[in-house]
Amino acid sequence: QVQLVESGGDMVQPGRSLRLSCEVSGFTFSTFAMHWVRQLPGTGLEWLAVMSADGFSQTYSDSVKGRFTVSRDNSRNTLYLQMNSLRPEDTALYYCVRVHREWMLRDYFDNWGQGTLVIVSS
Amino acid sequence: ETVMTQSPATLSVSPGERATLSCRASQSVSINLAWYQQKPGQAPRLLISGASTRAAGIPARFSGSGSGTEFTLTISSLQSEDFAVYYCQQYNDWPFTFGPGTKVDI
Repeated sequence: QVQLVESGGDMVQPGRSLRLSCEVSGFTFSTFAMHWVRQLPGTGLEWLAVMSADGFSQTYSDSVKGRFTVSRDNSRNTLYLQMNSLRPEDTALYYCVRVHREWMLRDYFDNWGQGTLVIVSS
Repeated sequence: ETVMTQSPATLSVSPGERATLSCRASQSVSINLAWYQQKPGQAPRLLISGASTRAAGIPARFSGSGSGTEFTLTISSLQSEDFAVYYCQQYNDWPFTFGPGTKVDI
């Protein structure tokens, strides 16, 4: 079955960097766009970024544009989120998410990982 | 950016009762609207896509309706496992946006 497993979450100081990974299995990774979504402590969900199946197209939310970079390695079935210049307000549980339809960027999310926790604090 | 709002923030119901949750978009999202259920300590789970299409394995007591800017999720007869937070999300345009959620509790 479809599995998405995030890793890389940690506690870091403001201004530092962190790279999250999301290893997937159970489907053909190279044909699905993948997204990152975060959930701030005790609150709602915020969409962050999407990468196309072929890796050539990305879109970001304004809150992370210029600081976060999404990438993927289709040979390793892995999605990444490079987070630079981290701020306390980036503290959240970070989910990688798969869309339902192959090749579609703008589509609903049918599979979520369990999330990896990032804490930004001095 | 399309702002999503949900009402009420909290809905207190008894098992067996009907629950009606509302979601409103600040501009039309057509039917590009999904509903997710989240229980404590778990990732969100897709319930409804395309405003009214139940996801695989979702019981028939869950139904969605609406288009444009007004949407509704109805749970016809609440079961104990349905007590959770429900989020709507538009995937019509960038950035994707979620509503703040409706908590359904006893």
